[in-house]
Amino acid sequence: EDKVVQSPLSLVVHEGDTVTLNCSYEVTNFRSLLWYKQEKKAPTFLFMLTSSGIEKKSGRLSSILDKKELSSILNITATQTGDSAIYLCAVVWLEYGNKLVFGAGTILRVKS
Amino acid sequence: NAGVTQTPKFQVLKTGQSMTLQCAQDMNHNSMYWYRQDPGMGLRLIYYSASEGTTDKGEVPNGYNVSRLNKREFSLRLESAAPSQTSVYFCASSEIRGSTDTQYFGPGTRLTVL
Repeated sequence: EDKVVQSPLSLVVHEGDTVTLNCSYEVTNFRSLLWYKQEKKAPTFLFMLTSSGIEKKSGRLSSILDKKELSSILNITATQTGDSAIYLCAVVWLEYGNKLVFGAGTILRVKS
Repeated sequence: NAGVTQTPKFQVLKTGQSMTLQCAQDMNHNSMYWYRQDPGMGLRLIYYSASEGTTDKGEVPNGYNVSRLNKREFSLRLESAAPSQTSVYFCASSEIRGSTDTQYFGPGTRLTVL
């Protein structure tokens, strides 16, 4: 069965720390992997990664896909309290258009 | 441009009652989705509609029905609510355009079934 596993499930860090969130997947006919940030309401899109292996960056956030390891990491440098959220990873199946399979998420709490 | 809107925001039902969750998008997207989110389980796909006039089951369709009313609107119906359907429900939409797979989410409906 196709699945997406995120780790750690939760972590607490102090402002200024760097964190690395992991996402591994077992999905046949992989198409792309997406990262979302979810605060109190709806998930908001962060990055889309493909098998090209190109790193994506946005400010203090960056992400890359390792197609050999079937995994992706999301890095956040110089964390701020506003980074506290649930970070969701989702994988797109090639056969189903852009139907997403989500991981359970990583709960990140940044303490001041 | 409101994006994806959902109504209601909150709802409390008794076991056996029925209700319809409404979703609309103004981004002219072809595809729309309904998810439920439970603690520790991420988002699970209930039903999706790849285009107007088509609907398909997702991972957890039992106990739900959907209607793609037109390109803008996609509703989710609970015919006989059960406590196991207590969850937060999200609607999403997307457009398959080249390599873009991004889905845009509505604000969610928090449903409690007593």
